[in-house]
Amino acid sequence: NAGVTQTPKFQVLKTGQSMTLQCAQDMNHNSMYWYRQDPGMGLRLIYYSASEGTTDKGEVPNGYNVSRLNKREFSLRLESAAPSQTSVYFCASTEAYGKLFFGSGTQLSVL
Amino acid sequence: ELKVEQNPLFLSMQEGKNYTIYCNYSTTSDRLYWYRQDPGKSLESLFVLLSNGAVKQEGRLMASLDTKARLSTLHITAAVHDLSATYFCAVDPKGGGSNYKLTFGKGTLLTVNP
Repeated sequence: NAGVTQTPKFQVLKTGQSMTLQCAQDMNHNSMYWYRQDPGMGLRLIYYSASEGTTDKGEVPNGYNVSRLNKREFSLRLESAAPSQTSVYFCASTEAYGKLFFGSGTQLSVL
Repeated sequence: ELKVEQNPLFLSMQEGKNYTIYCNYSTTSDRLYWYRQDPGKSLESLFVLLSNGAVKQEGRLMASLDTKARLSTLHITAAVHDLSATYFCAVDPKGGGSNYKLTFGKGTLLTVNP
């Protein structure tokens, strides 16, 4: 019973490099989300996908792109990483009633 | 813009004591969620509150929702060390629908001391 799986768990980038964070869920959920967590800031929504084939911006989308590859997978791409994107990133999916199931997180450092 | 405010942000309490964490939000909603996060770990769902007056209990934790006051409380009864964690409340600003774009509070770091 894997739930929500994120890769990688840790990543160090240099400013300007690109990378893609992968997320997959095996719970047949329609909606998927990417959040970032910074100290003292709670979680902030980057992008979400209400269903396969649709994506929409959240509170802090600048510098990110997403792809909902299929119902299971939702990836987050940083095209040109900046130090301000140093954060912990969480993928989540939801069943009915909005109860979110979170992945284990990706700790990203941009130097 | 929806604002979700938790207080206190830091709470140090002794084992066996009772305390309440408050979550205020700025817009109409009847959907509120509580999550727990252990250090270095992910978030896990504690409670889903879907209507005014909703009350949910699990062990030493009890959550309630007053949509008229735009307030939810998380009450801790007879705290034990295992409850040490960060607790987040989150609000669905549209009060329903299919998108569930939750806005989170900043979290309350709870430390339970022997």
